[in-house]
Amino acid sequence: EAGVAQSPRYKIIEKRQSVAFWCNPISGHATLYWYQQILGQGPKLLIQFQNNGVVDDSQLPKDRFSAERLKGVDSTLKIQPAKLEDSAVYLCASSSFDRAREKLFFGSGTQLSVL
Amino acid sequence: AQSVSQHNHHVILSEAASLELGCNYSYGGTVNLFWYVQYPGQHLQLLLKYFSGDPLVKGIKGFEAEFIKSKFSFNLRKPSVQWSDTAEYFCAVTGFSGGYNKLIFGAGTRLAVHP
Repeated sequence: EAGVAQSPRYKIIEKRQSVAFWCNPISGHATLYWYQQILGQGPKLLIQFQNNGVVDDSQLPKDRFSAERLKGVDSTLKIQPAKLEDSAVYLCASSSFDRAREKLFFGSGTQLSVL
Repeated sequence: AQSVSQHNHHVILSEAASLELGCNYSYGGTVNLFWYVQYPGQHLQLLLKYFSGDPLVKGIKGFEAEFIKSKFSFNLRKPSVQWSDTAEYFCAVTGFSGGYNKLIFGAGTRLAVHP
């Protein structure tokens, strides 16, 4: 089966610019996640969607980050304006909703460098 | 709130040495436990998982992990490591709350295996 697709693979921007990342989950997966992985740290959940509704965005810096999942399929994550500390790998993952047997599939990530 | 603690940030071993990576979690309810691996330049991959049943679970590439409920631990082991095991290893836990699972990662352990 096709995996989770993310683009772009790399992005370099200057601080205060805006950037957007795109994710296409595995077909049929109801749950979609965006994680931020800063160098030397574990992935941190930014936002979790169930179909096109948000179920958890408690760690999303809402003053600059936004995400949407239109029609319950693809998702975009936007940062506006970017700060130096936003430099990280942004991972998208998806899973089929199964209360007891959840397994996440990860994309390759977008590596963001903010200069 | 869920949390995951990994004991070692960096581990250096020679080939054929035995490996044990510690992981402790904090969560009041029923949990699912995972170990993910990230090889250099690659995306996160599932190594093994525990949902229920036998607390000793076997994963890919000769890895295993033991769930000890009384100690809130899920340590990863391998009897004899290879150079190709050089990677970063992440312990993760999901707890079902509010109608959905939330996957939380530890900070990761970077393993370097020398020939």
